[in-house]
Amino acid sequence: DAGITQSPRHKVTETGTPVTLRCHQTENHRYMYWYRQDPGHGLRLIHYSYGVKDTDKGEVSDGYSVSRSKTEDFLLTLESATSSQTSVYFCAISESGGPRNTEAFFGQGTRLTVV
Amino acid sequence: GENVEQHPSTLSVQEGDSAVIKCTYSDSASNYFPWYKQELGKGPQLIIDIRSNVGEKKDQRIAVTLNKTAKHFSLHITETQPEDSAVYFCAAVRENYGGATNKLIFGTGTLLAVQP
Repeated sequence: DAGITQSPRHKVTETGTPVTLRCHQTENHRYMYWYRQDPGHGLRLIHYSYGVKDTDKGEVSDGYSVSRSKTEDFLLTLESATSSQTSVYFCAISESGGPRNTEAFFGQGTRLTVV
Repeated sequence: GENVEQHPSTLSVQEGDSAVIKCTYSDSASNYFPWYKQELGKGPQLIIDIRSNVGEKKDQRIAVTLNKTAKHFSLHITETQPEDSAVYFCAAVRENYGGATNKLIFGTGTLLAVQP
């Protein structure tokens, strides 16, 4: 299995509080992604990173921010959590260039509940 | 941006039958089309992929076909087994080596149930 660790794996938080989810990789892959998974919506891209300090918005970026200060860590922050952000969050990594290098490897997911 | 539609959302088949899942994409510049399988409680895993210079690819019981003109691609599973039961996602990517547009956009997923 690819070396991807998400933390925490489960979290319950109150509306209005900030929350940070962490994705840590040991593969030295350039690209890192945050997705959320909701019934009926599949996997939707929140933000992604194509290098240290290089990030861009995905499909559903409102209410989320990210940071990547080093290759191995990609942080997702919910600045003021809302109930609509209750979801399962997945981190993924991939390497650019070459015939196989866009394969994405996923973490185990973080189940976030906002009450 | 890219939009990927996937059908059906649920699919139930008898063991041994075939299953077909279909996707359409909107960005004609997309050139890489992977399929992922997600088992309960786990993250998705790549099972097969196809690039735009190929019309069909097979790997044992799994095959993927691509129609670039119609912007359609499909996953075919033959001789289904109970362990094929999972959620399947298609995705489309515009590969740009080292560039900023190399992002996966997924379809909404298909829950496949293989009945013994």
